[in-house]
Amino acid sequence: GAVVSQHPSRVICKSGTSVKIECRSLDFQATTMFWYRQFPKQSLMLMATSNEGSKATYEQGVEKDKFLINHASLTLSTLTVTSAHPEDSSFYICSARALGQVNTEAFFGQGTRLTVV
Amino acid sequence: GENVEQHPSTLSVQEGDSAVIKCTYSDSASNYFPWYKQELGKGPQLIIDIRSNVGEKKDQRIAVTLNKTAKHFSLHITETQPEDSAVYFCAAMANQAGTALIFGKGTTLSVSS
Repeated sequence: GAVVSQHPSRVICKSGTSVKIECRSLDFQATTMFWYRQFPKQSLMLMATSNEGSKATYEQGVEKDKFLINHASLTLSTLTVTSAHPEDSSFYICSARALGQVNTEAFFGQGTRLTVV
Repeated sequence: GENVEQHPSTLSVQEGDSAVIKCTYSDSASNYFPWYKQELGKGPQLIIDIRSNVGEKKDQRIAVTLNKTAKHFSLHITETQPEDSAVYFCAAMANQAGTALIFGKGTTLSVSS
């Protein structure tokens, strides 16, 4: 199946700093990528939809100025957690769907464990 | 928007028994229903999916059934093995460009030998 690579897999940062997470589709092009956040023992909650070449669409309650999303190419989307606080500590997961495919499998990255100290 | 409910939240079975996880969805426009298995510290892995034009799909020990009228779908795992122990998520999605998967809350399946 298609591969989505997410980097880094783990990151620890200090409060107040910013962290960038990359999501790459390795063997297909994706006009749309999705960012999810997962707290321990909870489900994946959609944060935002990342569209190549345009602004991301954020879910209600997600601060767009805190979670900056850039989808600069058909194979790369980045999520930057700005001015991180301990409550931002979570598991962040991206997914992507192949270009031109609407009702098909979404491929997931391996996730990024963010710990803010 | 779409809302997906999943039950049970935890499920314990003996090795060799069957396990059934059920989900309901709210948006009648949804027509793609995947199931994911997630192991600790990893991203979700697709195990089976079904589209609204079929009522059942099977892949070896795993099967999924869909009842569009009632808006519910179920995952069936037969002859469970300890390595089936994981968290399972159902999801639903409408057939529209840019639409994201909406997940259920997950079921922690424990298979004891």
